[in-house]
Amino acid sequence: QSALTQPASVSGSPGQSITISCTGTSSDVGGYNYVSWYQQHPGKAPKLMIYEVSNRPSGVSNRFSGSKSGNTASLTISGLQAEDEADYYCSSYSSSSTLYVFGTGTKVTVL
Amino acid sequence: EVQLVQSGAEVKKPGESLKISCKGSGYSFTTSWIGWVRQMPGKGLEWMGIIYPGDSDTRYSPSFQGQVTISADKSITTAYLQWSSLKASDTAMYYCARHLGYCTSTNCYGTLDYWGQGTLVTVSS
Repeated sequence: QSALTQPASVSGSPGQSITISCTGTSSDVGGYNYVSWYQQHPGKAPKLMIYEVSNRPSGVSNRFSGSKSGNTASLTISGLQAEDEADYYCSSYSSSSTLYVFGTGTKVTVL
Repeated sequence: EVQLVQSGAEVKKPGESLKISCKGSGYSFTTSWIGWVRQMPGKGLEWMGIIYPGDSDTRYSPSFQGQVTISADKSITTAYLQWSSLKASDTAMYYCARHLGYCTSTNCYGTLDYWGQGTLVTVSS
């Protein structure tokens, strides 16, 4: 089961925008629009932030946005806030036998 | 309100069996798939498998096939994850989550929109 590739860490100052990448293949990210993003604070369960590449669930701030180009999906957090400091994981449907694959995870630090 | 409430933390010895639970409420339990996700200490998320409580149709990630059993009892809106013989390497946090989407005979499309609080399983001699 090959995980999607994310940067280990991304940081930014309050108010700035940051972007987290998620790179897969044509069998997952590039081939389907079933990319999701999850936020996980320490000791807490993951929370869905983006689904189907760019859709936000009800209650998620519009500071979070998603996009995709080729085999790479991206999560952008604009107007960075202290509460955004967390781990972020992407995921995608996979046409391989795994069916579903997560990214390696990115730690976001607010400076 | 959609809720998934998982059973409490477990401490077990290698070779012991274990069954943890995930009780769903606030939605149609029998018409939504439920997935299980592992998170080993300090590590990322790993998809284990998924079950449709309506008919107990189950799919496993190859990494977990044969290592765990996923089941559900729709009469009490509860899904389960069980081990017949635990290993130290099974020490992890386990999450259940509702799958928003659908599955065909070979594929599952969608996302995990509501998550349980997690069950910490510790396996140590």
